[in-house]
Amino acid sequence: DAGVTQSPTHLIKTRGQHVTLRCSPISGHKSVSWYQQVLGQGPQFIFQYYEKEERGRGNFPDRFSARQFPNYSSELNVNALLLGDSALYLCASSLASGRAGVGELFFGEGSRLTVL
Amino acid sequence: AQSVSQHNHHVILSEAASLELGCNYSYGGTVNLFWYVQYPGQHLQLLLKYFSGDPLVKGIKGFEAEFIKSKFSFNLRKPSVQWSDTAEYFCAVYTGGGNKLTFGTGTQLKVEL
Repeated sequence: DAGVTQSPTHLIKTRGQHVTLRCSPISGHKSVSWYQQVLGQGPQFIFQYYEKEERGRGNFPDRFSARQFPNYSSELNVNALLLGDSALYLCASSLASGRAGVGELFFGEGSRLTVL
Repeated sequence: AQSVSQHNHHVILSEAASLELGCNYSYGGTVNLFWYVQYPGQHLQLLLKYFSGDPLVKGIKGFEAEFIKSKFSFNLRKPSVQWSDTAEYFCAVYTGGGNKLTFGTGTQLKVEL
């Protein structure tokens, strides 16, 4: 079975540009979460969507937005890129939301964004 | 807000040595605790988790962790490490709210032959 797939795997942008990252969850999983992992740090929660509704939001500026599609895939959008947005962006999927879902999170390999 | 501290940022061990990685969290309520591992070039994988019951939790690949509520700790242990255990290890806590995990900064483990 395919795991969580993310695209693109690597990308380079310049300050002020916009980026869209994509995530396909494991088949049957209805929840997608996004995390940002800056070099030398642990992953930091950005968003969670379950059944196309936002279920959680981390402490990130409004430049960050996300959505989930009817097929449960998801996009993370970041506007007006800053140098500090350079990071590995991780997507995680699960069957459920909340305590039941967080115990069975499956992570993708991430999209590495470099902002110049 | 909850936080997770991993005090060992880099650990180097010889094969067959015993491992203990520290993890402390700051949250006074009910918590669920996790250890994740990230092997070089691979995705984050769940090693083990604590939800309730026996505070000594056994995970994959011979790892175990003990939840000590009075110390707000969830240390990871392995009696005898192997070269293939070289990886980055993350402790995480769940206190509620969607699927939000709060991760520590990670411990880079290098096992030498």
